[in-house]
Amino acid sequence: DIQLAQSPSSLSASVGDRVTITCRASQTINTYLNWYQHIPGKAPRLLIYETSNLFPGVPSRFRGAGSGTGFTLTISNLQPEDFGSYYCQQSFTTPRTFGGGTKVEI
Amino acid sequence: EVRLVESGGGLVQPGGSLRLSCEGSGFTFSEYWMSWVRQTPGKGLEWVANIRQDGSRTSLVDSVKGRFTLSRDNAKSSLFLYMYNLRPEDTGVYYCARESLYCGGDCSMFNSWGQGTLVTVSS
Repeated sequence: DIQLAQSPSSLSASVGDRVTITCRASQTINTYLNWYQHIPGKAPRLLIYETSNLFPGVPSRFRGAGSGTGFTLTISNLQPEDFGSYYCQQSFTTPRTFGGGTKVEI
Repeated sequence: EVRLVESGGGLVQPGGSLRLSCEGSGFTFSEYWMSWVRQTPGKGLEWVANIRQDGSRTSLVDSVKGRFTLSRDNAKSSLFLYMYNLRPEDTGVYYCARESLYCGGDCSMFNSWGQGTLVTVSS
């Protein structure tokens, strides 16, 4: 199975900050990497698919980049509604696997 | 509007069984792979299983193989997860997710999710 290592596991930031979350795959996954936001009590929400494509309706302050085994999610101009947990997920193989998550505290 | 609504969660003793259901609306259910993803206490998201559009193929994570099965009824836009011999580590919120293929079918994304149903395995 492909393992995804996310870092940091948690971070604290202020409104207006830029934060970057890293996801490293145990083997190459091409660009088949997605990012999700999960706020407690809500359904997870797709933010970015195939490494860098913004899902419709997602604000442009979210940006994804990377390829092969290394990927990043950057949130610019952090907003209060951005608190929650962020997960990377690979669709290169089955089983689909998620990273361990990054909790963002505002 | 795409909607996915899960049901069937609850409290069950170790070794017990549950059937989870997910009803979809607002899209052509039969055109999509469907998945179950869970979040266990203190942990992150874990993909559990998925099923092909016509129900002819399923995949499950190793930790539930031999204990969970899934099926679908496209006529009723419904997805099911049958859970047997439940263990305390199966406790968590179970989400139904629509899986859309792209990259010519080589990759996918979970682009719609339900609100989840809570499963608690405890004596």
